[in-house]
Amino acid sequence: EPEVTQTPSHQVTQMGQEVILRCVPISNHLYFYWYRQILGQKVEFLVSFYNNEISEKSEIFDDQFSVERPDGSNFTLKIRSTKLEDSAMYFCASRRRGQGDPKLYGYTFGSGTRLTVV
Amino acid sequence: EDQVTQSPEALRLQEGESSSLNCSYTVSGLRGLFWYRQDPGKGPEFLFTLYSAGEEKEKERLKATLTKKESFLHITAPKPEDSATYLCAVSNQAGTALIFGKGTTLSVSS
Repeated sequence: EPEVTQTPSHQVTQMGQEVILRCVPISNHLYFYWYRQILGQKVEFLVSFYNNEISEKSEIFDDQFSVERPDGSNFTLKIRSTKLEDSAMYFCASRRRGQGDPKLYGYTFGSGTRLTVV
Repeated sequence: EDQVTQSPEALRLQEGESSSLNCSYTVSGLRGLFWYRQDPGKGPEFLFTLYSAGEEKEKERLKATLTKKESFLHITAPKPEDSATYLCAVSNQAGTALIFGKGTTLSVSS
């Protein structure tokens, strides 16, 4: 079964450093997302990306964050200057466009990158 | 503001003891309601999408139902391997982002 692949699985970084989280979405999917989950809290939406541009973003996704699809397969989340409160599990997700078969419409999540800022 | 509330926060069942998880939502134009399963340290795993009130979906021991205000995830004769956190999420007409509840952590003991 196709899956969303995220790397690295764990990343520890010093406060103020830049980090790039990487994702390979499912190949025929058109919408790409980043979510995060702080330990013990809800999964929260960060940003969605469609047709090579941001289609939606939340209040969390401020100027410290950016996303890019540098080639036909990778989707990245960059945090410019990390803060302690950025420590969380970051999930990439992708989905096909439109409705129809819910399994196709349903979002597929990756296993996540655990980011620890020290 | 769109909101999803799940109850109970935690549920302990004996193997074979059926129960239901609740997801109450307020959303400006429901596009879809989603159930996911999340194992510790893993990403959410898709279970069901429900689109309109009255709709029901089943998969093995799980059955999801939807009304205009809430959704239930019924677990029939659960097994220990059903232990996980079950997440409910909605998307609205404004976009495709998912709004998640906090989840219900289910523990099934043999």
